[in-house]
Amino acid sequence: DVKVTQSSRYLVKRTGEKVFLECVQDMDHENMFWYRQDPGLGLRLIYFSYDVKMKEKGDIPEGYSVSREKKERFSLILESASTNQTSMYLCASTRTATGELFFGEGSRLTVL
Amino acid sequence: AQSVTQPDIHITVSEGASLELRCNYSYGATPYLFWYVQSPGQGLQLLLKYFSGDTLVQGIKGFEAEFKRSQSSFNLRKPSVHWSDAAEYFCAVGLNAGKSTFGDGTTLTVKP
Repeated sequence: DVKVTQSSRYLVKRTGEKVFLECVQDMDHENMFWYRQDPGLGLRLIYFSYDVKMKEKGDIPEGYSVSREKKERFSLILESASTNQTSMYLCASTRTATGELFFGEGSRLTVL
Repeated sequence: AQSVTQPDIHITVSEGASLELRCNYSYGATPYLFWYVQSPGQGLQLLLKYFSGDTLVQGIKGFEAEFKRSQSSFNLRKPSVHWSDAAEYFCAVGLNAGKSTFGDGTTLTVKP
C-alpha cells in the first residue's frame, strides 16, 4: 500500500525552539508539499519541492524553511517556533502527470 | 488567480438521505478538479478527480461529482449517506506540477 509517513503525530514545543517535521513517501513521486491546516482557513501551502534540492515558496512561507536531500524525504523546519505556528501540518506528494495528492496523517504541533 | 469556494461550512443530513456538497472554482484554463475527504485526526484521502472527458465522474465510497463548465462548478453527490461519511470534505483545483488550491472545506454531520 502506498504511503506518506509523517514522523510525529503530536508535538509540544516551547517558543523559540527549533522544530523539525519529517515526511517520507514510498511512491517515487517527484513532487512533495507541506501544507498548514487551521480551522476555517482550509489548507494553505507553505513550501513545495519538484525535485531533490529544489524548493519553492508557497503562499505562507514566512517562519518556515524546508530541506529535500533525498527524493523520498521532505522536511519542514521551524527555526524559532512561535505560538502562532500552533497548527496541523500536512505533508503530501504527487506525480507531476496526475496531480492527485497523497497525504500523510498530519502532525499536530502545539507551541507553548 | 485561482480560487475555490465551498459555500457551505457545515451540512447536516439524515442517514439514508441524499447529499450534495457545492464547489465553485475560478481558474483561467481547463482545470483539474478534485474532492478529498478528511476523517477526524487524519490526513486527506482522494475521493475522485476530473481531468477531461465525461463530466460525471465516479469515485470511491459511492460518491460522484459533476463538472459544469458553464457554472464553474464541481459538486459532489451521494444518493444515500451512511453514518461513516461524517467527515470534512475539501474541493481542490489542481495547478501545474501538482500544486493545488483548496476550498475551506465543508463539515458533514450525519444524523441517525
